[in-house]
Amino acid sequence: DAKTTQPNSMESNEEEPVHLPCNHSTISGTDYIHWYRQLPSQGPEYVIHGLTSNVNNRMASLAIAEDRKSSTLILHRATLRDAAVYYCILRANFGNEKLTFGTGTRLTIIP
Amino acid sequence: DAGVIQSPRHEVTEMGQEVTLRCKPISGHDYLFWYRQTMMRGLELLIYFNNNVPIDDSGMPEDRFSAKMPNASFSTLKIQPSEPRDSAVYFCASSLRGNSNQPQHFGDGTRLSIL
Repeated sequence: DAKTTQPNSMESNEEEPVHLPCNHSTISGTDYIHWYRQLPSQGPEYVIHGLTSNVNNRMASLAIAEDRKSSTLILHRATLRDAAVYYCILRANFGNEKLTFGTGTRLTIIP
Repeated sequence: DAGVIQSPRHEVTEMGQEVTLRCKPISGHDYLFWYRQTMMRGLELLIYFNNNVPIDDSGMPEDRFSAKMPNASFSTLKIQPSEPRDSAVYFCASSLRGNSNQPQHFGDGTRLSIL
């Protein structure tokens, strides 16, 4: 599996936007970029995924660089409930059922 | 909608005892995954099933671990005999299909402590 690199930790103020970066310089043309998050004492939770174009859903936005070597998860207005570990994961389009979790970014929200 | 249901939420037992963790996937999902999370190794996949058939068990640590899926609505992960190093949080997840467009839905996990 292609590898992703994320900062170990980030802090953000409540009600401010948060940009969580992910580098994946060895991404292949068929790899999707997935984001999951894990709140304290819970299982991971799907956030968003994309291939080439930027994506939006009710939870977040995903901005993908034109060369696809990096991406950014955007939380438009962070709340205390967004404090979690965020994982950026690459998944091949076919025949890859597995999720390979790295160490993720621990996001702290400051009230 | 009911999510993935795991039981028990917490389990404390002594070394050498048999431990059985249970999982009920989301109805209609045909993939089921077992993960383990520790501070040292993070989240790692142990085994996954497609339509109740084990597909890849390469992540199962050793013969003390076994997993079954007797039907589409139930799976077990068994450790026999248990050891202190098996202490971890075990997560079950399910998805509609295994391709990269289908998210995996996780349960809240079973926190296992082996004394």
